[in-house]
Amino acid sequence: DVKVTQSSRYLVKRTGEKVFLECVQDMDHENMFWYRQDPGLGLRLIYFSYDVKMKEKGDIPEGYSVSREKKERFSLILESASTNQTSMYLCASGQGGQETQYFGPGTRLLVL
Amino acid sequence: GQNIDQPTEMTATEGAIVQINCTYQTSGFNGLFWYQQHAGEAPTFLSYNVLDGLEEKGRFSSFLSRSKGYSYLLLKELQMKDSASYLCAVRPGTYKYIFGTGTRLKVLA
Repeated sequence: DVKVTQSSRYLVKRTGEKVFLECVQDMDHENMFWYRQDPGLGLRLIYFSYDVKMKEKGDIPEGYSVSREKKERFSLILESASTNQTSMYLCASGQGGQETQYFGPGTRLLVL
Repeated sequence: GQNIDQPTEMTATEGAIVQINCTYQTSGFNGLFWYQQHAGEAPTFLSYNVLDGLEEKGRFSSFLSRSKGYSYLLLKELQMKDSASYLCAVRPGTYKYIFGTGTRLKVLA
């Protein structure tokens, strides 16, 4: 079974703090993704990576950065958290082609 | 722009059949995916279509018409546990996925 894990299920941070969200997959997938999910807006892609040290902006990269130093690990960084970054963050990994992407359990982040 | 449309909410009765529609306008097409998402949980994969036609998997089927930019997910013999959100996603190119906002399905006893 494919397993995608995220470092926290729930997180509470203060405005201006630096926040790290970590994602680890155990299936040797090339591609990894970070999304945020908000009511009425659906899943929106923040960043993705198709190889180690490679990263591409998604649709809403502002205020975020990412790091992929190892194939199995993809980190999302909020340099200076703001209240409008309160959301559910979902990590996913996949091999592309006919294969789907597999999602982690999500991190619900609250920025006060 | 790129756009995926699905109804916001649907209601159906246990044991019935329900069809959830998805229309898309994207810069390219490299597959359409359906996911199920229960409240507070991560999306899980249901089906994949890349060629026109119907794909059947047990109680769930998915249909694609590329010329019309249209897909549907058909759920038969509805059960209470099918109450969830159903997400339609298109992969326009090699890597990225574009998601619709999801259809919240309520199954009533």
